[in-house]
Amino acid sequence: QAVLTQPSSLSASPGASASLTCTLRSGINVGTYRIYWYQQKAGSPPQYLLTYMSDSNKQQGSGVPSRFSGSKDASANAGILLISGLQSEDEADYYCMTWHNSASVFGGGTKLTVL
Amino acid sequence: QITLKESGPTLVKPTQTLTLTCTFSGFSLRTSGVGVGWVRQPPGKALEWLSLIYWDDDKRYSPSLESRLTITKDTSKNQVVLTMTNMDPLDTATYYCTHTAAYGEYAFDVWGQGTMVIVSS
Repeated sequence: QAVLTQPSSLSASPGASASLTCTLRSGINVGTYRIYWYQQKAGSPPQYLLTYMSDSNKQQGSGVPSRFSGSKDASANAGILLISGLQSEDEADYYCMTWHNSASVFGGGTKLTVL
Repeated sequence: QITLKESGPTLVKPTQTLTLTCTFSGFSLRTSGVGVGWVRQPPGKALEWLSLIYWDDDKRYSPSLESRLTITKDTSKNQVVLTMTNMDPLDTATYYCTHTAAYGEYAFDVWGQGTMVIVSS
């Protein structure tokens, strides 16, 4: 079972909010892990969005709009990327990442379609 | 401004060794807390972390690829070199180098443009 699992796709309408989940493998407690989020548009390298550990311990990437935010759902053992006020330019692949046993691990990515 | 640029062969044959170089500017690998990592992405697939080297020469490798990878740094040239042995067509991917630092909680906060590597006879 993969360390991080993401739904393969998600669709949402312009102006709406999208919640992208990143579920940690059973036995790995999301509460003790920083979750990193990256955006990758077609034909471009990934771009760092933000890091979320807790509401008091989080970082926003340089120049990343505040409508991108992170959170956790302890009951689902998941990290969440919330994108509010969706714009057509938000259509991209989104990857979560964490550090586990001193190694970096990426999720399989979620393709977000804005239509 | 931090920039990174990957370089290396576009085409390698199966069983050959791949050598990729990351040349960077805007930071120094002599600075405490700084690191340079490698991530790859097969066509149409997800990102996969490969390796990371820190300012103090601490090295980390993907457990699934550790036996095939070696990462080194040349601080005088601002370069990091990744070698991968016994290349296979499944290693066909775009290879990215990235910057990371303690002040950024070790996020991969800056990425190079990537270099495409095709493994084929």
